[in-house]
Amino acid sequence: KQEVTQIPAALSVPEGENLVLNCSFTDSAIYNLQWFRQDPGKGLTSLLLIQSSQREQTSGRLNASLDKSSGRSTLYIAASQPGDSATYLCAAAISSGSARQLTFGSGTQLTVLP
Amino acid sequence: NAGVTQTPKFRILKIGQSMTLQCTQDMNHNYMYWYRQDPGMGLKLIYYSVGAGITDKGEVPNGYNVSRSTTEDFPLRLELAAPSQTSVYFCASSYSWAAGNTIYFGEGSWLTVV
Repeated sequence: KQEVTQIPAALSVPEGENLVLNCSFTDSAIYNLQWFRQDPGKGLTSLLLIQSSQREQTSGRLNASLDKSSGRSTLYIAASQPGDSATYLCAAAISSGSARQLTFGSGTQLTVLP
Repeated sequence: NAGVTQTPKFRILKIGQSMTLQCTQDMNHNYMYWYRQDPGMGLKLIYYSVGAGITDKGEVPNGYNVSRSTTEDFPLRLELAAPSQTSVYFCASSYSWAAGNTIYFGEGSWLTVV
């Protein structure tokens, strides 16, 4: 059974700092790896999706990497801003017959201090 | 664009009561999903559907039922509510499960069973 872990559970950084969020997964046979942002009282917004054949994806100040062999993904946020404060979740997509689903980590709650 | 719309936003149920969480999407997506999120945890898949008339169980289906009579709607039925069903419920949709497809989430339904 796929398990996804995110450490740390919470992170607080001063504005302007570059930071890395970590995600690890136990089964390397993933279809893709996705990063989401969740604001309080809101749903999830997809940030980046990395296919199993890719090593990284970039969107603006965000860069996500994927290393299937080690079961790890990272989300790099450059020049953090208070507006980046949110919970960030990663999810590994598996496809096994009809059992297509995302397995989510429990998230890292990021606070960027002005 | 409305995207994925869930109702109600908040609901308090008594033990043993039943209710339906409504979900509709206006993006003509084939795939729809219901997840639950317990405090400090990731999302767990309850049920999913790959098209009208086709549904399948996810990781935590017990105590729930779904139907998919149209492409747009995917209601989640809770029968005989139990305190263990206190959670935040998210509906989501995607065009397909194929590589590169983004998943869109609704804003969530907060359910408390007392």
